[in-house]
Amino acid sequence: DAKTTQPPSMDCAEGRAANLPCNHSTISGNEYVYWYRQIHSQGPQYIIHGLKNNETNEMASLIITEDRKSSTLILPHATLRDTAVYYCIVRVGYSGYALNFGKGTSLLVTP
Amino acid sequence: EAQVTQNPRYLITVTGKKLTVTCSQNMNHEYMSWYRQDPGLGLRQIYYSMNVEVTDKGDVPEGYKVSRKEKRNFPLILESPSPNQTSLYFCASSADGLFYGYTFGSGTRLTVV
Repeated sequence: DAKTTQPPSMDCAEGRAANLPCNHSTISGNEYVYWYRQIHSQGPQYIIHGLKNNETNEMASLIITEDRKSSTLILPHATLRDTAVYYCIVRVGYSGYALNFGKGTSLLVTP
Repeated sequence: EAQVTQNPRYLITVTGKKLTVTCSQNMNHEYMSWYRQDPGLGLRQIYYSMNVEVTDKGDVPEGYKVSRKEKRNFPLILESPSPNQTSLYFCASSADGLFYGYTFGSGTRLTVV
């Protein structure tokens, strides 16, 4: 699976958009970008995933650059409950192998 | 409600005393797996299962056993726990590992003394 690079921490004011970047410059053509988050010691929560098109669901939007070497997870109106560690994972979609969570980005949403 | 249920949530045990952590999912998922999470080491996969009676080792399988006799259940067995297995454990399931991601349980915090 391709390696990802995320900033270790970010802050965001409540109500503002949180934009979390992820660099995956070695991504190959059949690898998807997945985002998960983990709120303090709870089980990780799936957020969104995509291959090359931008994606949106009720939780977030995923913007993938045209060359697919980086992506941004957008939480449009961050709340205090969005404070969590966010993991960007790149992997072949259909695989029985492990999700490599890496270190992720610790997002702190402040009042 | 679609969920992955782990039990127990907390467990303190002594070295060498066999224990089982149960995991059950109600989503008819084929894929299930176990992870452990340790400070500084992140989440690491222990074992996974692609279907009933099909299991395989993850990155850190030593000291653990699993079984998948029914689709919904995937217990984690520690036959002779040791203090280095003190950790936070998560069970996860997925319909196909592709489109819907994985649903994780709430975790089991195990302490072996």
